[in-house]
Amino acid sequence: DADVTQTPRNRITKTGKRIMLECSQTKGHDRMYWYRQDPGLGLRLIYYSFDVKDINKGEISDGYSVSRQAQAKFSLSLESAIPNQTALYFCATSDPRGTGDEQYFGPGTRLTVT
Amino acid sequence: SQKIEQNSEALNIQEGKTATLTCNYTNYSPAYLQWYRQDPGRGPVFLLLIRENEKEKRKERLKVTFDTTLKQSLFHITASQPADSATYLCALRMDSSYKLIFGSGTRLLVRP
Repeated sequence: DADVTQTPRNRITKTGKRIMLECSQTKGHDRMYWYRQDPGLGLRLIYYSFDVKDINKGEISDGYSVSRQAQAKFSLSLESAIPNQTALYFCATSDPRGTGDEQYFGPGTRLTVT
Repeated sequence: SQKIEQNSEALNIQEGKTATLTCNYTNYSPAYLQWYRQDPGRGPVFLLLIRENEKEKRKERLKVTFDTTLKQSLFHITASQPADSATYLCALRMDSSYKLIFGSGTRLLVRP
């Protein structure tokens, strides 16, 4: 079984709808991250969490919110989706006690906002 | 401004040759640099990490160098294979921040 899972894998939604993307991990890592990836722009950090009580904004948090329900679960919400939020979204985890805090990514959610 | 640059043009090489990918950065002082591989439709996979006080790191057919004077990392794949075809991302982390800053990646295509 995959260590980091994301649901849904694909989603098409309309402008103005609320949508939630979910991430679960079985790696036992405290740190979790949400990124979006756009062609030619690389991965950009939306939010990150270093434990259940710690949530931090990344470089592009506007229009997004997150919830860390448990060590293993970190969800990303778009309160009112807009077309320029169409992108590939990745969840990741890391363990700072490892060799270099390398990140482990989920398979991604492809979101299309029409 | 701070930038991480990877060649946006795909690198196209013959099987068996060495592939060399470049990651340049400006206005950062990274504590370490990581390289990831990403296949189409999948999440990035960690490959190697090199710290600021290390010049070179190897893992099987992979080699990474890190020149903090030139502000550049080179990623080499020796004896390349078609299965090495993918996009390769570099990522920096500063001591002052717990976040990774990613480059946009370079696509590698290895022809049989």
